[in-house]
Amino acid sequence: EADIYQTPRYLVIGTGKKITLECSQTMGHDKMYWYQQDPGMELHLIHYSYGVNSTEKGDLSSESTVSRIRTEHFPLTLESARPSHTSQYLCASSATSGRAAGELFFGEGSRLTVL
Amino acid sequence: AQSVTQLDSQVPVFEEAPVELRCNYSSSVSVYLFWYVQYPNQGLQLLLKYLSGSTLVKGINGFEAEFNKSQTSFHLRKPSVHISDTAEYFCAVSDMNRDDKIIFGKGTRLHILP
Repeated sequence: EADIYQTPRYLVIGTGKKITLECSQTMGHDKMYWYQQDPGMELHLIHYSYGVNSTEKGDLSSESTVSRIRTEHFPLTLESARPSHTSQYLCASSATSGRAAGELFFGEGSRLTVL
Repeated sequence: AQSVTQLDSQVPVFEEAPVELRCNYSSSVSVYLFWYVQYPNQGLQLLLKYLSGSTLVKGINGFEAEFNKSQTSFHLRKPSVHISDTAEYFCAVSDMNRDDKIIFGKGTRLHILP
């Protein structure tokens, strides 16, 4: 069973609020990712990190930002939420080497609704 | 650039019947292939993966998939489905030389009919 945790699982907030979605993993993985998932659509990579102090933007443009100060922690922040940010956000991590290299381990997701 | 096509957005099948979920990919380089499953209100978990070697890959929960390089396909099969297999299934591909970028298909929702 994967040891990657996301909080909150569900969040309903008003427009203009600042929110942070937390993601932590206890597997010591260097690589971490944030995906955005909408119903009936593929997962879109919005941010990823190769390790501490490394962050990159993914294929889908996003107004969110991320930080990677510690290996195990990869929070995502929206400075001013809008209804267009309503979506499910999935955090994942992967190992660099070994049998599980290349395999993504996912958290249970954070479903964000912006009113 | 790589892409993944899952032609069927939904597949209804009767309990204990066999099922095949189709996946085709396009890539100009050698790839790794994956199938992930997402149960309601949960994240994705790996069903199986193809990295190299035998083209027939067995995964968890009785699922298997076959890598067909000439047809660029990686279809998922199960000989007898159970109600607990109700979920969304995602096919994914990554560049063998750059496995940090995994591209997902749009998913196929498997409906198990009693």
